[in-house]
Amino acid sequence: GAGVSQSPSNKVTEKGKDVELRCDPISGHTALYWYRQSLGQGLEFLIYFQGNSAPDKSGLPSDRFSAERTGGSVSTLTIQRTQQEDSAVYLCASSLDISGYTFGSGTRLTVV
Amino acid sequence: DAKTTQPNSMESNEEEPVHLPCNHSTISGTDYIHWYRQLPSQGPEYVIHGLTSNVNNRMASLAIAEDRKSSTLILHRATLRDAAVYYCILKSGNTPLVFGKGTRLSVIA
Repeated sequence: GAGVSQSPSNKVTEKGKDVELRCDPISGHTALYWYRQSLGQGLEFLIYFQGNSAPDKSGLPSDRFSAERTGGSVSTLTIQRTQQEDSAVYLCASSLDISGYTFGSGTRLTVV
Repeated sequence: DAKTTQPNSMESNEEEPVHLPCNHSTISGTDYIHWYRQLPSQGPEYVIHGLTSNVNNRMASLAIAEDRKSSTLILHRATLRDAAVYYCILKSGNTPLVFGKGTRLSVIA
């Protein structure tokens, strides 16, 4: 497709369960970013992948959060032992060098 | 990170021009000025970016002050679909975008 694809679009999970969120970036984009946005709040940076370099994990809120990017393309954000405060929209973006980011539509995660 | 200051909210009438201001008095020489917008229930959308010269694209114009300490995003003719939160962000090199609170633009029919 032409855009950034995220799945699932919605996810409801029980507190304490693990979840995996997927991001399929635009083909050829070397950089991939994860952000989250809690209800009524701004966007919070989580993690950033650039080519084959080590990811910038400085925004991950706890060690329950991890992400990987396989083959320089698809990325998976994993949240272990989910908590209610993890409820948010998780947004993925990709970009080519210093060009503008293209964001996906996000995954709305609800922890009950 | 260099910071930007934007009004919390602005209002515009439909079909009129809108000037969205942004102050960035601590901008460094390598910082690009980026603008994004986020429509309700959607992810952010790239609008425009520039370094020193004014920029135009199909969505908007970006006017950058000569000293680069402020900039203005110009929507030439606001429509109801332009109602969104507009973010002004300074970005240098490969550092990730850091979003502030932005300006919530309301467009009145």
